[in-house]
Amino acid sequence: DSGVTQTPKHLITATGQRVTLRCSPRSGDLSVYWYQQSLDQGLQFLIQYYNGEERAKGNILERFSAQQFPDLHSELNLSSLELGDSALYFCASSSGPANEKLFFGSGTQLSVL
Amino acid sequence: QKEVEQDPGPLSVPEGAIVSLNCTYSNSAFQYFMWYRQYSRKGPELLMYTYSSGNKEDGRFTAQVDKSSKYISLFIRDSQPSDSATYLCAMTLGGATNKLIFGTGTLLAVQP
Repeated sequence: DSGVTQTPKHLITATGQRVTLRCSPRSGDLSVYWYQQSLDQGLQFLIQYYNGEERAKGNILERFSAQQFPDLHSELNLSSLELGDSALYFCASSSGPANEKLFFGSGTQLSVL
Repeated sequence: QKEVEQDPGPLSVPEGAIVSLNCTYSNSAFQYFMWYRQYSRKGPELLMYTYSSGNKEDGRFTAQVDKSSKYISLFIRDSQPSDSATYLCAMTLGGATNKLIFGTGTLLAVQP
């Protein structure tokens, strides 16, 4: 068990809808990262937050947004969902702003029908 | 061309075999190199972590980095059925931000 908690484990929704994925980092970790994993693209970095502030941005679509709250948990909001958004979404955490050792949660499997 | 290239496999070996997994990359500025193991329907788990060039050994696992060739390897000795998983290489520039670039992963099956 990595200590990173993601909910829900599975999410099934329809095109055009909006969903929220939640992540609680390991105790003491200040950084949260979001990754998308699909069969054809592999693990793609979306965004990083450190202690409540956005730290780095990857290939995150404008329809997606994230935030990190004062208690350090993070939420990833996905809106106007498309079929192609179906993927595994992982949250990871690390202790510092640029710590290369990431600890991943078990992921949220999103299916857009 | 992708920044990190990894053969997707699948790679099937008998129990006890030596496994060699490899990645190549294009950005010579990468400084930190990692191998993650991912079991089916689970999150990636950090297996090996190396800074710059050289070898690192941890039990049955050895990670090698050759920056001159932009090539990294993971060797697994005495492979076990429990090693069956997808192995992902990852690398980053380091510094002020931490954006890991992952390979697409190699699926390994160790047959008992």
